[in-house]
Amino acid sequence: DAGVIQSPRHEVTEMGQEVTLRCKPISGHNSLFWYRQTMMRGLELLIYFNNNVPIDDSGMPEDRFSAKMPNASFSTLKIQPSEPRDSAVYFCASSLSGGAGEAFFGQGTRLTVV
Amino acid sequence: GENVEQHPSTLSVQEGDSAVIKCTYSDSASNYFPWYKQELGKRPQLIIDIRSNVGEKKDQRIAVTLNKTAKHFSLHITETQPEDSAVYFCAASINTDKLIFGTGTRLQVFP
Repeated sequence: DAGVIQSPRHEVTEMGQEVTLRCKPISGHNSLFWYRQTMMRGLELLIYFNNNVPIDDSGMPEDRFSAKMPNASFSTLKIQPSEPRDSAVYFCASSLSGGAGEAFFGQGTRLTVV
Repeated sequence: GENVEQHPSTLSVQEGDSAVIKCTYSDSASNYFPWYKQELGKRPQLIIDIRSNVGEKKDQRIAVTLNKTAKHFSLHITETQPEDSAVYFCAASINTDKLIFGTGTRLQVFP
């Protein structure tokens, strides 16, 4: 397995534009997490899916952020409209829930909003 | 919900010395405590984890201890090497679901 795959690796966009980040979890994993990493706030959990269902989205900063998981092999995180303060590295991670194993991270998407 | 605090935020040691990073958690139901290492520009990667049914776990130069009563756990790195320099994150969760991370410790090992 190639691990958790995220795209794009880098994204530069203008304020007000829509941004879509993509994630393919490890095959067989049934939990998927989106994290945002900044120097000031560290690794923040944005949303957590289990079996494609959003379980906890309390970390989503505001209505401009939305996430979907239409099937077990794909998830998106969308920001609309984007703002400069959204600039961060966004990580997707997947695991096998129920105490079976570790969370594996993708390589991240570095988002810059100018 | 769960809250994880981590100290110190930065740690500098001489090569060969030991390094200790400490974390506390708030939710007594948490039973899984992994530690991740993140090198500059890379993804976090698991280095060791411990579950609440054990008090200590070792893997070569790294060890983790857990005190369930006090709700704190620690990472110990012995005989540090320059390649140990990275940011280390602790985390807590229930059954590996919804990992909540500490704020990270930047470890620098000087040759």
